[in-house]
Amino acid sequence: DAGVIQSPRHEVTEMGQEVTLRCKPISGHNSLFWYRQTMMRGLELLIYFNNNVPIDDSGMPEDRFSAKMPNASFSTLKIQPSEPRDSAVYFCASAVPYYEQYFGPGTRLTVT
Amino acid sequence: GDSVTQMEGPVTLSEEAFLTINCTYTATGYPSLFWYVQYPGEGLQLLLKATKADDKGSNKGFEATYRKETTSFHLEKGSVQVSDSAVYFCALRNTGNQFYFGTGTSLTVIP
Repeated sequence: DAGVIQSPRHEVTEMGQEVTLRCKPISGHNSLFWYRQTMMRGLELLIYFNNNVPIDDSGMPEDRFSAKMPNASFSTLKIQPSEPRDSAVYFCASAVPYYEQYFGPGTRLTVT
Repeated sequence: GDSVTQMEGPVTLSEEAFLTINCTYTATGYPSLFWYVQYPGEGLQLLLKATKADDKGSNKGFEATYRKETTSFHLEKGSVQVSDSAVYFCALRNTGNQFYFGTGTSLTVIP
């Protein structure tokens, strides 16, 4: 298996622009997690899905952030409008329920 | 609520030194415990795991034992190498399938 796939790997955008991050989980994994990692706040869980349904979005920082999982093999995290403080590495992870998570390589987002 | 607490870093060791990174947890029931490693510029990778009390997880010379009596899961390695330089995360998964990660401990091994 190719593992969790994230795209793009790097994104540089200007403040106010819309940003969409993409994730393809490992086939057969029906739990999917979005995290944000920064030096200041460490690793933060933003949202997680089970069977394509959002279970816990309490970590989503504000209404500018939204996440969707239209099917078992694809998820998006959208930021609109983006702000410089959104600069971070965003990770997607997938899991079989009650087993360990597998992380993607991350998307490094820079908002100028 | 459930949580994981791991020792503050950064940790700097000489090659072949003994490594211990402390991790304690708070959880109801019987969580599963994990250590993840993150190399520079990469995502987190599972290093080892233990799913019940007294289990020992091991991989690449690293070990950790699930101690329910002390609610701990300390990571150890007898002889570290430069290639072990990374950030290490302790994590738990509770009986509700919720994951909690520690803040990470940065390890630098110098030749």
